Amino acid sequence: IAGITQAPTSQILAAGRRMTLRCTQDMRHNAMYWYRQDLGLGLRLIHYSNTAGTTGKGEVPDGYSVSRANTDDFPLTLASAVPSQTSVYFCASSDQAGGQETQYFGPGTRLLVL
Amino acid sequence: GQNIDQPTEMTATEGAIVQINCTYQTSGFNGLFWYQQHAGEAPTFLSYNVLDGLEEKGRFSSFLSRSKGYSYLLLKELQMKDSASYLCAVMDSNYQLIWGAGTKLIIKP
Repeated sequence: IAGITQAPTSQILAAGRRMTLRCTQDMRHNAMYWYRQDLGLGLRLIHYSNTAGTTGKGEVPDGYSVSRANTDDFPLTLASAVPSQTSVYFCASSDQAGGQETQYFGPGTRLLVL
Repeated sequence: GQNIDQPTEMTATEGAIVQINCTYQTSGFNGLFWYQQHAGEAPTFLSYNVLDGLEEKGRFSSFLSRSKGYSYLLLKELQMKDSASYLCAVMDSNYQLIWGAGTKLIIKP
């Protein structure tokens, strides 16, 4: 693989169910991010990780959790999905956090919560 | 609060030039990014400005004025493949990217 992969590509989920979105990068980037993108709104940061073993909350963290056990993987978990979590979810990574570091994005996961 | 403003949609003709504006109000400034996003795809990096002035990269140029909180992306010799959304994002004092909603650019033959 090259770059960032996300799984699944799309998912329909019943409200109240638990769901984990997977993200893997093979660029050995230190920093990783989870965003959601909704029509008419800019990308909004959910959670981030500046390096393996550390995580932080972004602009819209409620209802989501993350872990960063190693450099490559950064899963996002919805503990109990609600319809307002219907969105397109993008995982991104950068070599380092901050400054002029370009963020590279995965292909996204389209989630519909009913 | 933090705010990034850009036009929702613009239309231009193949072969022409188009300028997409972005104004911002953020808590701190550590650079401004432009990304391109084709429908149904991931955003891809176009340009980065941290100092005032114009950065040119092929058919695309990006300008920044920090005192005015203003940037623009200039696309020359438009091609049909340039039809996409263009996202403006500012890195704030916490080194987090604040994103605009994007400008959908429609290219007509």
